[in-house]
Amino acid sequence: DTEVTQTPKHLVMGMTNKKSLKCEQHMGHRAMYWYKQKAKKPPELMFVYSYEKLSINESVPSRFSPECPNSSLLNLHLHALQPEDSALYLCASSQGRDPYKDEQYFGPGTRLTVT
Amino acid sequence: QQPVQSPQAVILREGEDAVINCSSSKALYSVHWYRQKHGEAPVFLMILLKGGEQKGHEKISASFNEKKQQSSLYLTASQLSYSGTYFCGTPDLTGTASKLTFGTGTRLQVTL
Repeated sequence: DTEVTQTPKHLVMGMTNKKSLKCEQHMGHRAMYWYKQKAKKPPELMFVYSYEKLSINESVPSRFSPECPNSSLLNLHLHALQPEDSALYLCASSQGRDPYKDEQYFGPGTRLTVT
Repeated sequence: QQPVQSPQAVILREGEDAVINCSSSKALYSVHWYRQKHGEAPVFLMILLKGGEQKGHEKISASFNEKKQQSSLYLTASQLSYSGTYFCGTPDLTGTASKLTFGTGTRLQVTL
């Protein structure tokens, strides 16, 4: 099974709402990632978890809060977002053994709209 | 720093060939290539490593010039299914994790 699943597929939220994005993989991967992608732009890295520990935070605003409850799950908690946060949020995973050789497997993404 | 890709966009007729280039301003140990179809997730194509090792798609070829910090993806006898946006990615090791920085992207459209 080489699938990364993400829920929900679409999310519309107001600026005062609190919501969470979920990501799951069952490939035994130990590195998991959150990316943000705007239309016609490449994915931009937000967070990296390596062996369930937050390893990289790309200076993301605190209104985005990641969580890795176990090696298969990754959450992104959203609070007090701004309209400019509307984007496609992609989750990915990789083996976590060799960053130069490990390919990343991406989920289908969550299309987020902030109103 | 973000790798720069060229061309930004290309339109091909089915059966034609294309080359997509990726250029980095920093020394590279490996280059990753992904394809993203409209409305879908990026899909891994291949990885090229310093020293000539490759990993990935059998029907796609690529080159990696470590000295010039460049990589090229060669799409031969293109098919309609090749349409999409192609991204190169350059990994950086930060502690125990890697950060993959994607290039600017090349939009490829294959027509009949």
